[in-house]
Amino acid sequence: EDKVVQSPLSLVVHEGDTVTLNCSYEVTNFRSLLWYKQEKKAPTFLFMLTSSGIEKKSGRLSSILDKKELFSILNITATQTGDSAVYLCAVDWLGGTSYGKLTFGQGTILTVHP
Amino acid sequence: DAGVTQSPTHLIKTRGQHVTLRCSPISGHKSVSWYQQVLGQGPQFIFQYYEKEERGRGNFPDRFSARQFPNYSSELNVNALLLGDSALYLCASSLLQAVAKNIQYFGAGTRLSVL
Repeated sequence: EDKVVQSPLSLVVHEGDTVTLNCSYEVTNFRSLLWYKQEKKAPTFLFMLTSSGIEKKSGRLSSILDKKELFSILNITATQTGDSAVYLCAVDWLGGTSYGKLTFGQGTILTVHP
Repeated sequence: DAGVTQSPTHLIKTRGQHVTLRCSPISGHKSVSWYQQVLGQGPQFIFQYYEKEERGRGNFPDRFSARQFPNYSSELNVNALLLGDSALYLCASSLLQAVAKNIQYFGAGTRLSVL
């Protein structure tokens, strides 16, 4: 059974704080792990991780994958109010499909106060 | 370039009716996937289509069906609507090449309310 679990489910911080979002997974035939940001409707792509130990960075955001321990973290430094959103973790795996499918976690609701 | 476009943006139906949702992928993308997102949850996989053929199906009843057209656009059909079908329906497209390029890009979704 595929399973993706995110923690915490919600987080409230003040501008300038650093946050760490967690994602653990249990799937067979893992292909990649993706992070998305969802502000209103469309989830927007942040990172794709396929190899352990290689950090991906984009500005104040960074992410890393541990394939041995089956988890990933998303870090956001110097948070801004514009970072307020739901952050979704998804695993791409060959679960009864020919071409892979995404299984999502519940999401972490991040609220950044001024 | 235009992203993934979905129509309509909002829809209100009553129980027992059927609905058709539409999706146009990013130009050059041949794979379209559909997801259902209930409030407070992550998206849940419904279907994946590639080259006009169904390549994967999630745990949804037969009331849900889809198809992909020669121009790679797609429709999701839901028959005999239930209150529990109320959700945001998301469409995603991808190149579906090597894993490293298989990033799914999402449209803004169709908000379906069943009364």
